[in-house]
Formats: sequence, structure tokens, C-alpha cells
Amino acid sequence: DAGVTQSPTHLIKTRGQHVTLRCSPISGHKSVSWYQQVLGQGPQFIFQYYEKEERGRGNFPDRFSARQFPNYSSELNVNALLLGDSALYLCASSLIGKSYEQYFGPGTRLTVT
Amino acid sequence: QQQVKQSPQSLIVQKGGISIINCAYENTAFDYFPWYQQFPGKGPALLIAIRPDVSEKKEGRFTISFNKSAKQFSLHIMDSQPGDSATYFCAATPRSGNTPLVFGKGTRLSVIA
Repeated sequence: DAGVTQSPTHLIKTRGQHVTLRCSPISGHKSVSWYQQVLGQGPQFIFQYYEKEERGRGNFPDRFSARQFPNYSSELNVNALLLGDSALYLCASSLIGKSYEQYFGPGTRLTVT
Repeated sequence: QQQVKQSPQSLIVQKGGISIINCAYENTAFDYFPWYQQFPGKGPALLIAIRPDVSEKKEGRFTISFNKSAKQFSLHIMDSQPGDSATYFCAATPRSGNTPLVFGKGTRLSVIA
């Protein structure tokens, strides 16, 4: 079975630009969460979505937004990129009712120059 | 406020030795404690997890020990192998609700021959 997939793998953007990252959950998983992992740190929670609604939000500015589609895939959008947004962005999926058991994708490495 | 404290930051172990990584948590609402293994350029992979109704859980060479009164848990890797060289993260969350995982800062393990 395919795991969580994310695209693109790597991305280089300039300050002030916008970026969209994509995630497809494990088949049967309807909950998707996004995390930011800065080099040398543990992942930090950004959003959780299920049933196409935001169910949780971490301490991130409004420049960060996300959505979930009817097929349970998800997009993370970041506007007005800052150098500090450079990180590995991870998507995790889980079963409804077992959101604590999260399975991560390979991540998208975003570099902001 | 760091809710999950992980130590050591880095660890070097001889092949065949025991690797021990420790974590401490503050939030008594946490009742699910997973460990993730992350290789460079990859997403975190769920390794093993424990609930507080047991004091130990073993899967192959990996064992979690849990001390509820001390609010501490640890990962033991028996017969450590060079292929175990990776960064390990502990995490914690309540199983109820949709609270996200809270991660420690990670331990970089190097197993040398």
C-alpha cells in the first residue's frame, strides 16, 4: 500500500512569493495534519483537517493556510514567504478517531532565498 | 514552553551496544507516547508507541519503558546496528480529541562499528 505522498520534493522560492504544497493521505485515512520541521528541531504542528474542515491550528501566522479536498488530499499554502519559512514541511495522515496515530510523508523541502 | 524534553541531543554507540534515549513530559493529559525514526531527507517513521496503562512495550530490538509517576519514558535499542543511525523523536498527545503530536527536539544516534 502506498504511504503518504507529498509534492514537490524540493522547492526554492524568493522572499515575498507564494507557495503551494500538496499531500495525499494513506488510502482510508481521512484526517490530514501539516507540520513544519526546521533543521535540527522536531516537527511543529501547523494544521489538522478532516471532513474538509480545519480542526486544529498551531501557532503560525495567517500567511499559512490550508484546505482539504473531497478525496481527502490537502494543500498547504504560504503567502509572503520569509527566509524563516525555510524548512521541511511534513504531511501526516491518520484515521478518524485515531488522530494520535499519525503517519508522515517524506516532506517537501522549502528553501526561501 | 517545551512540553516534551528529550535527551541526549546526540549519542554515539558501539555496534551491538544498547542505545538509550530519554523523554520527560509535563502535561498529564498526554496518554499516547510514540517514537519516530527519521533518516536524512526523509519524513519521520512511526517506530513504536506506548500507552500509560503498561510500563513497557517491546517490538523486536526496540523497547519503550514508561514511568507514569515520574512522567518519563525512554527508548531502548538493543544490539544497536549501523543501520539504526538516524534521528529519533519522542512525542506525546492525548488520545481523546484532536490534539496534535508534541515532539521532543530529537536525538541524533550514530552507531559505529
